[in-house]
Amino acid sequence: RKEVEQDPGPFNVPEGATVAFNCTYSNSASQSFFWYRQDCRKEPKLLMSVYSSGNEDGRFTAQLNRASQYISLLIRDSKLSDSATYLCVVALNDYKLSFGAGTTVTVRA
Amino acid sequence: ETGVTQSPTHLIKTRGQQVTLRCSSQSGHNTVSWYQQALGQGPQFIFQYYREEENGRGNFPPRFSGLQFPNYSSELNVNALELDDSALYLCASSEDPGQFEQYFGPGTRLTVT
Repeated sequence: RKEVEQDPGPFNVPEGATVAFNCTYSNSASQSFFWYRQDCRKEPKLLMSVYSSGNEDGRFTAQLNRASQYISLLIRDSKLSDSATYLCVVALNDYKLSFGAGTTVTVRA
Repeated sequence: ETGVTQSPTHLIKTRGQQVTLRCSSQSGHNTVSWYQQALGQGPQFIFQYYREEENGRGNFPPRFSGLQFPNYSSELNVNALELDDSALYLCASSEDPGQFEQYFGPGTRLTVT
């Protein structure tokens, strides 16, 4: 079983729409969670950390459900510039980041 | 920009050859991690170096090795290249191993023929 699993998508949404997707992780001892964004043929960049209480950063909302071992990301009022691959990342005690394969989002005009 | 640089940008090697990839971390970042990202996959952790010593390793064979230098530069060496080694190789730096927020370089795209 993979450490981090994501729905690969693609999610194809119109501008202004809301899109949401999840990832699941297998190791219940995981202690930190993140969403990274990766544009085509570019390096991953940290989008936001995910806290147990849930957190927002502008149009982005992240949720963590430790009991069910899943993390979600919701994007409101989608912009063309939100088109990217979103990587779910889980950090274990040994500081290793485990990445999911990514969820592709395409926002169309 | 993250301040993390990698060289070369692209590289083509033949199966069985050896390759060295280079990374320059942000000043003050004592930790560097290396990742392999195959097409359509997420980055896979290779190993991490902290203050010039290996601090952790993923599921990669010993022919993947690394070095970290006092001047915030580091290397990833791969011996006996295989076709499956074709991937984007990313380095990421952080201030210390306990800081999970890592800053990635642009990567080196390695093609093995």
